[in-house]
Amino acid sequence: DGGITQSPKYLFRKEGQNVTLSCEQNLNHDAMYWYRQDPGQGLRLIYYSQIVNDFQKGDIAEGYSVSREKKESFPLTVTSAQKNPTAFYLCASAGAQANQPQHFGDGTRLSIL
Amino acid sequence: QKEVEQNSGPLSVPEGAIASLNCTYSDRVSQSFFWYRQYSGKSPELIMSIYSNGDKEDGRFTAQLNKASQYVSLLIRDSQPSDSATYLCAVILIQGAQKLVFGQGTRLTINP
Repeated sequence: DGGITQSPKYLFRKEGQNVTLSCEQNLNHDAMYWYRQDPGQGLRLIYYSQIVNDFQKGDIAEGYSVSREKKESFPLTVTSAQKNPTAFYLCASAGAQANQPQHFGDGTRLSIL
Repeated sequence: QKEVEQNSGPLSVPEGAIASLNCTYSDRVSQSFFWYRQYSGKSPELIMSIYSNGDKEDGRFTAQLNKASQYVSLLIRDSQPSDSATYLCAVILIQGAQKLVFGQGTRLTINP
């Protein structure tokens, strides 16, 4: 089945540790996105990529990093510089046409130990 | 003015009634509009796309778009308790860098 797979479902981070969230899609979508959602809040864009080997900062990129070495994969690293990483992280993808909606994975819930 | 604005609710509707969710947006030339449903603790799920003025129906859901008033709405007929969720309006803004922008969401509760 075509879809977006995020792993792990739950992740715990220790102080000073970097952690990486995985996002893989088999929808042949060109564009991929990472959002952060805090309880009772809307979605905030962290990073996005419209093509392999290229990505742009979103509204809250500080403390995060990404790579896009393959079309199918867009991993997000939450670095130790992100002082408040506890949140629900959502990966999305969309087709190349300008009017396409985004489709979401099931999300990763990150907490601090 | 926020780029995409929704009333955060909560909106409470009796079972079987029509739930009406509203969204306004700032970019006059936007062409693509979407409604997502998000259950508590889950990821958003696309339920409607609309691109032209007027109504678009899909089962119990109707999306309404009025570009002149910069207004898009979602009607849910014969509301069921399973419709209780947060509904996110999303708009592809054209001005500046083209991007999909989400509203804060409206929390809907259907009371049996």
